[in-house]
Parts: sequence; C-alpha cells; structure tokens
Amino acid sequence: GAVVSQHPSWVICKSGTSVKIECRSLDFQATTMFWYRQFPKQSLMLMATSNEGSKATYEQGVEKDKFLINHASLTLSTLTVTSAHPEDSSFYICSARAAVRGEKLFFGSGTQLSVL
Amino acid sequence: DAKTTQPNSMESNEEEPVHLPCNHSTISGTDYIHWYRQLPSQGPEYVIHGLTSNVNNRMASLAIAEDRKSSTLILHRATLRDAAVYYCILRGTINDYKLSFGAGTTVTVRA
Repeated sequence: GAVVSQHPSWVICKSGTSVKIECRSLDFQATTMFWYRQFPKQSLMLMATSNEGSKATYEQGVEKDKFLINHASLTLSTLTVTSAHPEDSSFYICSARAAVRGEKLFFGSGTQLSVL
Repeated sequence: DAKTTQPNSMESNEEEPVHLPCNHSTISGTDYIHWYRQLPSQGPEYVIHGLTSNVNNRMASLAIAEDRKSSTLILHRATLRDAAVYYCILRGTINDYKLSFGAGTTVTVRA
C-alpha cells in the first residue's frame, strides 16, 4: 500500500527556534498534501493545503508566515514552524493524495513537537 | 462543508461486530462518505468510503441509507487492534479533496 513517511517522529526545541518537519510519499506522486495539527484529546485541525509547485492555501486563522509550507516536488512537502513558542507544541500530521489512487488520503505517522 | 454527527464513544467485546453510526442529514448529492480511524499517537488510517451503494473491503463494510442522510461503519469481528477513534467525514467534490475531521467515535474493545 501507499506509504507516507513523516520525519522526525518527535522533536524538542527551545522557544524562538525554528523546526522543519518533512513529509514524503514513498511510492507514489503526491499531487496534493495537507498539513494538520492535533492538540491532546482533540480532533485534527486542517492547517493548509499544498499543491506541488504552487503556494499553499492556509485555513482561516493559520499564520502563513509562522507555518511555512513548501511542496517543491511531487514526493516531498515540508512544514517549518518558525520562531516556535510553547503554544505551538502539538502533534503535526501530514497527508497526501495521489491522483491515480482516487479518493484515499494517506497519512504520515505524525510529529510530536514540544517547545520549551 | 456538510456536518456529521457521531456518538462520542462505543464499547465492544472482542470478536463481536461493531456498528458505528454517522448522521449527515445535510449531505449533498456529490459528497462522498469517508471513514478514517486513528490509533493512539498515530496518524489517521483510511478505512472505507462510498457514495451511494454499500461498500465492503477487507477492513470493514459501509452501509449507506437510501436517502444518504446516515451511514453505518461495520467492523465484523472487533479485535483489540481495532480500538481507535473512528471519524466519519464528508468530502465534497469542490474542496480539493481536503478532509475536515470532527470529534469522531472512540471505540473501546474489551478482551
């Protein structure tokens, strides 16, 4: 089956630093990738949608200058949390859609970010 | 996006069937019904999807009401590994395939 690899699985950083999370589709080309975050005991919240080679579309209330998304190739998207603060601590999850695979979305295993 | 309503939680015994209901009374004619599940500390996993007809796959069955205002995910024989949060999501055809997750149903399986 299709695999989406997300790295790192967890990261601890100091307040004010930036953190990059990678999301790779291993055996298919991801025409569209989505980034979610999830706080403890809550559901997933969609942050942004990115299509390869174009700018990401951010959901209302998500700061595009803080959460930089790059989707430079059909197999890689990155989310950079810039100047992270403790309130950015969350579980970040990417998902990918392959046009040839129809309706399914494939999700990464998530990245737990803890900002001290 | 059309909204879905699911029970907060359900319990089941191992090797018994589990029927997870989902109400989506404002569904439009082109909305697909998707089910995903999320195990603890993992990303969601696709379970099944359908449009009008009932669907079966190796993981589950999806029964869709004739008026499409509700659906039921059926796990035929629950195992401990099926303990997860199950999300019923409507995907419209004009929203670039993005999925909006609700609260879902937390399924607990008793040994």
